Amino acid sequence: EPEVTQTPSHQVTQMGQEVILRCVPISNHLYFYWYRQILGQKVEFLVSFYNNEISEKSEIFDDQFSVERPDGSNFTLKIRSTKLEDSAMYFCASSEALVANYGYTFGSGTRLTVV
Amino acid sequence: KNEVEQSPQNLTAQEGEFITINCSYSVGISALHWLQQHPGGGIVSLFMLSSGKKKHGRLIATINIQEKHSSLHITASHPRDSAVYICAVRNYGQNFVFGPGTRLSVLP
Repeated sequence: EPEVTQTPSHQVTQMGQEVILRCVPISNHLYFYWYRQILGQKVEFLVSFYNNEISEKSEIFDDQFSVERPDGSNFTLKIRSTKLEDSAMYFCASSEALVANYGYTFGSGTRLTVV
Repeated sequence: KNEVEQSPQNLTAQEGEFITINCSYSVGISALHWLQQHPGGGIVSLFMLSSGKKKHGRLIATINIQEKHSSLHITASHPRDSAVYICAVRNYGQNFVFGPGTRLSVLP
């Protein structure tokens, strides 16, 4: 069964450093998403991406964050100047279409720890 | 903004028991998603519903659009079903709003 692949599975970084989280969505999917889950809290939407541009972003997704699809297969989330509160599990997801009944496929997540 | 609630928050069951997890939401939706999150953190999609009922193996999901309520049932529960079950809802053209999750432990 097709999978969404995320790398690395765990990243530890110093506060103030930049990190790039990588995702390889399912090849025929057109819509891409990043979510995050702070330990013990709900999953939260960060950003959706379609046709090489951001289609929607949440309040969390401020200037510190950016997304890119550099080569047609990878979908990356960059966090500039990381803060302690950025520590969370980050999930990438993709879907074939935006229509209500199309499911999402989630990646297994990247656990980011900012120290 | 849609508020999503789940009950119970935690559930412990004996192997073989029938389990029900409930989800309610405040605003009409276009789709509801049941997800399973394993102890390692990975998320697996179980069902996407916009009406009626779906069944996959021992899992059954139902939704009542008028009552803004969905249930996830697990028949003949097994210790490997132990996980956090998350309900997420989406309004037309918008992204998912997630519930807080129900932590299920099935004891042998």
